[in-house]
Amino acid sequence: AQRVTQPEKLLSVFKGAPVELKCNYSYSGSPELFWYVQYSRQRLQLLLRHISRESIKGFTADLNKGETSFHLKKPFAQEEDSAMYYCALKAGNQFYFGTGTSLTVIP
Amino acid sequence: NAGVTQTPKFQVLKTGQSMTLQCAQDMNHEYMSWYRQDPGMGLRLIHYSVGAGITDQGEVPNGYNVSRSTTEDFPLRLLSAAPSQTSVYFCASGRQGVREQYFGPGTRLTVT
Repeated sequence: AQRVTQPEKLLSVFKGAPVELKCNYSYSGSPELFWYVQYSRQRLQLLLRHISRESIKGFTADLNKGETSFHLKKPFAQEEDSAMYYCALKAGNQFYFGTGTSLTVIP
Repeated sequence: NAGVTQTPKFQVLKTGQSMTLQCAQDMNHEYMSWYRQDPGMGLRLIHYSVGAGITDQGEVPNGYNVSRSTTEDFPLRLLSAAPSQTSVYFCASGRQGVREQYFGPGTRLTVT
C-alpha cells in the first residue's frame, strides 16, 4: 500500500540554521514525489517536485530510492519559511499526502 | 483568472442532512480532486476526476458522491452527513499528467 510518513509534527530552528524536513514513502512502483507548502492564511501550493530537480526559495529535495526518502533541505532558514509542509506521493492518478510538519523559524 | 474557487467557506449541518460543496476552476484543467484534512491525518483523497464524465474513488470515498458534467465544475455531495465528516475540505485541479495541483481555499464543515 502507498504511504507517506513525515515523522516530525513540529520543527523549530533558529534563523540562519540549516533545516531538514523528513519524508519517507512506501510504493512498489516508480514514485513521483512532491513537497507542498501552506503559509499562514494562504492556500496550499506546490513548493517543488523531484522530477524537476530544482531549487525553490533555497529548498532542495533529493529522491533516495534506496532509503525511500525525499527529505526537504535548506542550508539557511529564514523567518518567512515558517509554514506547514506536506510531502506527497503520486501513484497513478492518486495523491497520498503525509501528515505534515509545522516549521517555525525563530528570529 | 480566479483559479480554484470553493463555496461555501463555512457550513454547519445536522446529522442526516445532505449538502453539496461546490468547486470550480477556470484554468481548463482536466484533473480535479477532493481532499479532506483532519488533525493528525494530513490530506486524504476522497474522489478525483481525469476529465468530464470520468470520476473515480480515492482513499476515503464512503459517504460522498461526485460528478463531473463539465470541465470547470466538480461538486462533492454528502448524502447523509455524519459527525465523522466534520473536516476541512479542499478541492484541487491540475493539467493532464498532474505535475502540479492548484488548491482552493477550503470549506470548513461541522456536522453536529
